[in-house]
Amino acid sequence: QVQLQESGPGLVKPSETLSLTCTVSGDSVSSFYWNWIRQPPGKGLQWIGYIYYSGSTNFNPSLRGRLTISVDTSKNQFSLNLSSVTAADTAVYYCARGNWNYYLDYWGQGALVTVSS
Amino acid sequence: EIVLTQSPATLSLSPGERATLSCRASQSVSNYLAWYQQKPGQAPRLLIYDASNRATGIPARFSGSGSGTDFTLTVSSLEPEDFAVYYCQQRSSWPLTFGQGTKVEIK
Repeated sequence: QVQLQESGPGLVKPSETLSLTCTVSGDSVSSFYWNWIRQPPGKGLQWIGYIYYSGSTNFNPSLRGRLTISVDTSKNQFSLNLSSVTAADTAVYYCARGNWNYYLDYWGQGALVTVSS
Repeated sequence: EIVLTQSPATLSLSPGERATLSCRASQSVSNYLAWYQQKPGQAPRLLIYDASNRATGIPARFSGSGSGTDFTLTVSSLEPEDFAVYYCQQRSSWPLTFGQGTKVEIK
């Protein structure tokens, strides 16, 4: 069974960098596409971006410039860095596997990140 | 980017009733559309992909249809565990986008 688990600080100060890691079990990050999605409290879903095991990435243009996604195949993890955060970046952040058709078939439970001083 | 508009925003139904949810795309997405179910405090779950294919383990009461710009998710007979928020998502072009969601609530 494929499982994903997000980890990282739950509170980030404005203008700083939000950093999250997703640990994958039951599958290898050396296949498929590994995604980040976020959901502001009480709102809908926004796709952030993905990384392929080769290191190739695809980002939402609305976040490009602030976004880094990396993969560590030795730890079977991938990570998200979002710089210069504001209160608008407060959300539950999910990691998810994208299958060969780019649909999101396995999700982590989500991690709430609050941006506040 | 492709905008997905879901209707209605809220659907109030009783267990056993049929639910029909709509998703309209701002431009054709062919059949590259998925539906997800999200319950409070949980991650979304993939229900339907490529407009009409049920994901692994999804009950037969869930069905999807449509192509181009108009899509429908039907739950033939609502079970208590089906009351949730449903999102459509397109993968026809980047960035991936989601609809704003339809909440199916108990009447």
